[in-house]
Amino acid sequence: KAGVTQTPRYLIKTRGQQVTLSCSPISGHRSVSWYQQTPGQGLQFLFEYFSETQRNKGNFPGRFSGRQFSNSRSEMNVSTLELGDSALYLCASSPGEGANGELFFGEGSRLTVL
Amino acid sequence: AQKVTQAQTEISVVEKEDVTLDCVYETRDTTYYLFWYKQPPSGELVFLIRRNSFDEQNEISGRYSWNFQKSTSSFNFTITASQVVDSAVYFCALSDPMGYSTLTFGKGTMLLVSP
Repeated sequence: KAGVTQTPRYLIKTRGQQVTLSCSPISGHRSVSWYQQTPGQGLQFLFEYFSETQRNKGNFPGRFSGRQFSNSRSEMNVSTLELGDSALYLCASSPGEGANGELFFGEGSRLTVL
Repeated sequence: AQKVTQAQTEISVVEKEDVTLDCVYETRDTTYYLFWYKQPPSGELVFLIRRNSFDEQNEISGRYSWNFQKSTSSFNFTITASQVVDSAVYFCALSDPMGYSTLTFGKGTMLLVSP
């Protein structure tokens, strides 16, 4: 069974630009959640999508957005990038019902903002 | 507000030593789940264990064991006879009342096992 796939793995952007990250969950999983990992703040929840609907959202500004497609693939977008957005962005999938936090993570997309 | 504290930032041991990673949590919920995840250098977090708040039985899985004590709000993780392959960052996490896929993570403990 293929794992969670995130693309791109690495990217470099400049301040003010926008970026789109993609996540393909494990086949059959309907929930996709996103986390931001930085040395200072650690792992922070961004949002979760289930069956194309945003189910939860973390405490991040509106520049961070996401969506989920009918095949459960998800994208997240960050607009007007700031230096502080440099981070490892992790996507996780779960069956969505009864998983109770057993998340399957991808290897992440490492974003560097210059 | 929920909070998970992993006071140990980094631990260094020599192979075959036992090591315990501490985790203390805060929550107002009566029903919750606690987790441990491992993050190797490749980056992805690997699920290790889930424990619900009503089950205080300790669990052992091979060289890994977990001690859940509700009275002290702790969920500690012990690796027996550590190996170099255990070197990683270990995260303790707490389920959030908002949803099943929303976890509050501790800052992590980096474990370095040297030969």
